[in-house]
Amino acid sequence: DTAVSQTPKYLVTQMGNDKSIKCEQNLGHDTMYWYKQDSKKFLKIMFSYNNKELIINETVPNRFSPKSPDKAHLNLHINSLELGDSAVYFCASSTTGVGEAFFGQGTRLTVV
Amino acid sequence: AQKVTQAQTEISVVEKEDVTLDCVYETRDTTYYLFWYKQPPSGELVFLIRRNSFDEQNEISGRYSWNFQKSTSSFNFTITASQVVDSAVYFCALSEAFKAAGNKLTFGGGTRVLVKP
Repeated sequence: DTAVSQTPKYLVTQMGNDKSIKCEQNLGHDTMYWYKQDSKKFLKIMFSYNNKELIINETVPNRFSPKSPDKAHLNLHINSLELGDSAVYFCASSTTGVGEAFFGQGTRLTVV
Repeated sequence: AQKVTQAQTEISVVEKEDVTLDCVYETRDTTYYLFWYKQPPSGELVFLIRRNSFDEQNEISGRYSWNFQKSTSSFNFTITASQVVDSAVYFCALSEAFKAAGNKLTFGGGTRVLVKP
């Protein structure tokens, strides 16, 4: 059973389009995250949700909107995609207060 | 602000050699967690180890060992008798402890390990 799964794994799209990435975890965790890994492999947190409530928003452009319908799901919608949005996006989850996060396999987004 | 530095960008070794990855961190918190993650060529991020700031006991797990020294803010990681399958990018990370919600990981820049047969 996959613990944290995200779809799609690859996403190629044109500038200006809107796209979504879905994430689901079956670990029973109450905190979920989105991280972005750039072309130099640098990883940075974008958002954190705890029990469907937004906790962390790390100065991410408004074009990025996370949505958590329940504590097992955290989706990421991106409007008006730009070339600079090309990256690998990782979903993760953890238990509150522990900090140890388990990651999905990543979604490689390429904007052309 | 928290900061994690991995000064080594790439290490190349021949199989069966030992590899030590350096990690230095900065934090104002007195209680925190440190982590190592592995990212193989397939791209996923694999959790390897977590250490609490109040537990400086070093540990060995199979071919992996960790050296945590609070006095020098270092959390180094060693792979003994490296194998080709150890080839990956290794990330050191830091998070605050005991937060009510929303723990975030601050990652270092990663160290690419290449193990040659």
